[in-house]
Amino acid sequence: AQTVTQSQPEMSVQEAETVTLSCTYDTSENNYYLFWYKQPPSRQMILVIRQEAYKQQNATENRFSVNFQKAAKSFSLKISDSQLGDTAMYFCALNTGTASKLTFGTGTRLQVTL
Amino acid sequence: SAVISQKPSRDICQRGTSLTIQCQVDSQVTMMFWYRQQPGQSLTLIATANQGSEATYESGFVIDKFPISRPNLTFSTLTVSNMSPEDSSIYLCSAHTAGIPVNTEAFFGQGTRLTVV
Repeated sequence: AQTVTQSQPEMSVQEAETVTLSCTYDTSENNYYLFWYKQPPSRQMILVIRQEAYKQQNATENRFSVNFQKAAKSFSLKISDSQLGDTAMYFCALNTGTASKLTFGTGTRLQVTL
Repeated sequence: SAVISQKPSRDICQRGTSLTIQCQVDSQVTMMFWYRQQPGQSLTLIATANQGSEATYESGFVIDKFPISRPNLTFSTLTVSNMSPEDSSIYLCSAHTAGIPVNTEAFFGQGTRLTVV
């Protein structure tokens, strides 16, 4: 069974600052993928960034980057130059080869303030 | 990419009734899923909608309560049957585009906010 844990229910960051959201996971699979999804008040789930477990290089997408520590089973999301539009729930998710379905963490509510 | 249209976007229903939620994808997709998201909570997978066969349900969810159809590669429905206030939740449809589902992006509908009174 797969589990995903997000230990920060809520976070706050000032505009233009940097914030890091934590995520740990557990799986016995060797081939898996990790995702961060954003859910703004509109409820639309949006993919932020994706990491393949077999890649050592951390994924980056513009202002978003991850710190993937495979041995520690840690997958944190760093948002640089935070913008008001980043205010949303952020979900860490895991997809493994055998399950082919996403397991979500409990989410972190991020508030970006002026 | 894929655009998923889900309807209704919200509904208020009487207990004991049933509601069918529709999910339409603008392209053929390999796998479709239905999730439940209770207020302020994470997403819980209800079932995988299989094209042309019975859905695969997760532990705690049964076909009699949540019948699912998937008549083709672009359309699925979820019915919430014999509703009670505990069924009040957001229901989301999700799909993976062609390719190996494990590494492809999952696209989501905007969800259906259901309130049972």
